[in-house]
Amino acid sequence: EVQLVQSGAEVKKPGESLKISCKGSGYNFTTHWIAWVRQMPGKGLEWMGIIYPGDSDTRYSPSFQDQVTISADKSISTAYLQWSSLKASDTAIYYCARRNPLDWYFDLWGRGTLVTVSS
Amino acid sequence: DIQMTQSPSTLSASVGDRVTITCRASQSISSWLAWYQQKPGKAPKLLIYKTSSLESGVPSRFSGSGSGTEFTLTISSLQPDDFVTYYCQQYNIYPYTFGQGTKLEIK
Repeated sequence: EVQLVQSGAEVKKPGESLKISCKGSGYNFTTHWIAWVRQMPGKGLEWMGIIYPGDSDTRYSPSFQDQVTISADKSISTAYLQWSSLKASDTAIYYCARRNPLDWYFDLWGRGTLVTVSS
Repeated sequence: DIQMTQSPSTLSASVGDRVTITCRASQSISSWLAWYQQKPGKAPKLLIYKTSSLESGVPSRFSGSGSGTEFTLTISSLQPDDFVTYYCQQYNIYPYTFGQGTKLEIK
């Protein structure tokens, strides 16, 4: 089955670090860009950035540049989103999504990872 | 960044109605526009790509049109399952920005 499986929900304190994951299966992970999308509680979708697992070429939205790090390990078909110092405002659901290689829309989504940052 | 503006933000309608949601881009995005449906507590689901191409498995009551800076999503006959939130997204230029969403409510 073609799918993106995301890591489980996290509860963290402000200032802590965190790395969440998105594992692809059922397709060639190396040749499909993977994006990360944020959805804050009760709000809309925000495009954070995107990575090409084949060579780790990464692009960030200016809004998220220097706030998070996107990486990938093609050997285990997994993309990551990480924070070095979480803030309460990072509380959100984070989705990974696969970009269609021919037409660049997002054709496959993970179920999302809820990150809660609270003291 | 390209700004995507959806209207209306909320739309009240009845089962069987025909509704249209509009998405405007702050600059031309050619036809590089997708529409997603999001149900509560679920990930977004692709409905339409490249402005008017229907994703496999999506009911034919959904259709899209437009080009350049103005786009529409039309649902020809609303079903109970359609009363959720819809987002447009441009994928012409990074960052691939989304509209703010349109919530479809039962009248």
